[in-house]
Amino acid sequence: DIVLTQSPASLAVSLGQRATISCRASQSVGTSNYGYMHWYQQKPGQPPKLLIKYASNLVSGVPARFSGSGSGTDFTLNIHPVEEEDTATYYCQHSWEIPYTFGGGTKLEIK
Amino acid sequence: QVTLKESGPGILQPSQTLSLTCSFSGFSLSTSGMGVSWIRQTSGKGLEWLAHIYWDNDKRYNPSLKSRLTISKDTSSNQVFLKITSVDTADIATYYCTRREYFDYWGQGTTLTVSS
Repeated sequence: DIVLTQSPASLAVSLGQRATISCRASQSVGTSNYGYMHWYQQKPGQPPKLLIKYASNLVSGVPARFSGSGSGTDFTLNIHPVEEEDTATYYCQHSWEIPYTFGGGTKLEIK
Repeated sequence: QVTLKESGPGILQPSQTLSLTCSFSGFSLSTSGMGVSWIRQTSGKGLEWLAHIYWDNDKRYNPSLKSRLTISKDTSSNQVFLKITSVDTADIATYYCTRREYFDYWGQGTTLTVSS
């Protein structure tokens, strides 16, 4: 199985500043041009919500302050400027091969 | 408008079979490329993908659970089903159904408790 390691496990960012979350895969999850990595936001009591698909494609309706980048084994989710409503846990997930797996999550707190 | 809704028994005894139903609307599982996955979430193991069924009835399973899982669909009634045999306390979780391999829509989930 491809292991996805997220870092940090938690972070606190001041309102209006940048939050950066990393996801490293144990092997490549795509081609040089196309990453099979997706990012989700989950708030307590709710299912995860898709934010970014295929590494860098912002899902319709998701604010433009969310962005994704990366390829191969290293991917990043950026949120800038962070807002109060961004308090949540964020997960990466790959769809490169079976089984699909998720990262362990990053808990974001807004200071 | 795409919606998915899971239903299940809520509580089972160890060794029983879990039967889950995902009822969806706003898309068709007869559309080429379409698929539905089951995912569960536990406090211990986080998010775990279980199985996926495609529009052409192709099925994929998580190898770690494959011997216990059966996914199926009824396209005409817009439902997808998952059975998990021989449940135990490790199967206590919230079970979600989702759409596509990048999970763009999720149900609200159904929780399972396993207790004798």
